[in-house]
Amino acid sequence: AQSVSQHNHHVILSEAASLELGCNYSYGGTVNLFWYVQYPGQHLQLLLKYFSGDPLVKGIKGFEAEFIKSKFSFNLRKPSVQWSDTAEYFCAVMGDTGRRALTFGSGTRLQVQP
Amino acid sequence: EPEVTQTPSHQVTQMGQEVILRCVPISNHLYFYWYRQILGQKVEFLVSFYNNEISEKSEIFDDQFSVERPDGSNFTLKIRSTKLEDSAMYFCASSGGLAGRTDTQYFGPGTRLTVL
Repeated sequence: AQSVSQHNHHVILSEAASLELGCNYSYGGTVNLFWYVQYPGQHLQLLLKYFSGDPLVKGIKGFEAEFIKSKFSFNLRKPSVQWSDTAEYFCAVMGDTGRRALTFGSGTRLQVQP
Repeated sequence: EPEVTQTPSHQVTQMGQEVILRCVPISNHLYFYWYRQILGQKVEFLVSFYNNEISEKSEIFDDQFSVERPDGSNFTLKIRSTKLEDSAMYFCASSGGLAGRTDTQYFGPGTRLTVL
């Protein structure tokens, strides 16, 4: 069975600081990887996704993530965060078995202080 | 931009009562999903639905749950006899149905279900 670990549960940063949120997955086959964001009071929105090809994926709002197969990781990064990035961030994985169910990590709450 | 919508935003019910949560997926999407998130826990997959039948379900999705697409736009989740542990945020999602791995799921805002 596949699983996802997000080790940072709560991250507090000042504006303009750099961000890296960890995501590790457990799955033996080929995976699709996703980062979703949930702003306060809003629904889950897709930030970026990886299916194949270039392991460095660029998403919306200046976010990027790097798939490192050897480390089973898909960390999310942003060079300079803004107060508006305050949200909860979820990493998710979909395996290659033909199943479409997403397996989510527990989420990381990011608080950006002005 | 098209969005998944859900109603109600908050549902309060008594234990043992039936509830129906409603979702309107994005109009040209073919796959529909329900997930739930118990407070403080992970978002968990419940069920997916395609071509008017369940395509996948998790072990959580037992006989007290059912899904239906009663018309061309709505997708519903019914819980027949609610339990306290059913209290959670329920998210509906839909996807276009692209060949497996490239399909992206778009989520609704959720319905918070409180069982008293």
